[in-house]
Amino acid sequence: EAGVVQSPRYKIIEKKQPVAFWCNPISGHNTLYWYLQNLGQGPELLIRYENEEAVDDSQLPKDRFSAERLKGVDSTLKIQPAELGDSAVYLCASSLGGPKGNTQYFGPGTRLTVL
Amino acid sequence: RKEVEQDPGPFNVPEGATVAFNCTYSNSASQSFFWYRQDCRKEPKLLMSVYSSGNEDGRFTAQLNRASQYISLLIRDSKLSDSATYLCAVELESNYQLIWGAGTKLIIKP
Repeated sequence: EAGVVQSPRYKIIEKKQPVAFWCNPISGHNTLYWYLQNLGQGPELLIRYENEEAVDDSQLPKDRFSAERLKGVDSTLKIQPAELGDSAVYLCASSLGGPKGNTQYFGPGTRLTVL
Repeated sequence: RKEVEQDPGPFNVPEGATVAFNCTYSNSASQSFFWYRQDCRKEPKLLMSVYSSGNEDGRFTAQLNRASQYISLLIRDSKLSDSATYLCAVELESNYQLIWGAGTKLIIKP
């Protein structure tokens, strides 16, 4: 069974430029998560989707970050404009969802460097 | 106080030894707990789920202590390949969101 797929794996951009990350979750997983992880820290939730609906985006900096999950499958996370402090690993995860279905499986992540 | 806390380590342990580390959580209503393993520059991968009184998988044993609000991970007969960062995650009962610790770094030395 294919795991969570993310692209690109690495991205280097200059500050103020836009950037987008793509995620394809495990087939059949209704819940999709975008996390940010800095070195030496645990993942920090940015947004959680249940199918197409963003059910928790309280930690998403909405002035510059946006996300969508059209048709409840693939998802895209966008940053515009990027700032130096956005350099981090952006992880996508998916799970079946709901109680007792919250085991999350991660993609390989996108390592973003903002210069 | 952070919602989920872990000793960052590193724990330097000789090969073959037994090592244990804890993860404390602040929300007493939490019901589900997980240990993940993260290798350098890789994604977290599920190691074990801890749903009730604990469970065992080969050399790995996870325990839950609800009274003191911590979970533990015990690794017996440690291997060089066990070197990694071990992240714990605690599920909030209210919305099933996982709250993550910052991880404990384990280094197994030959």
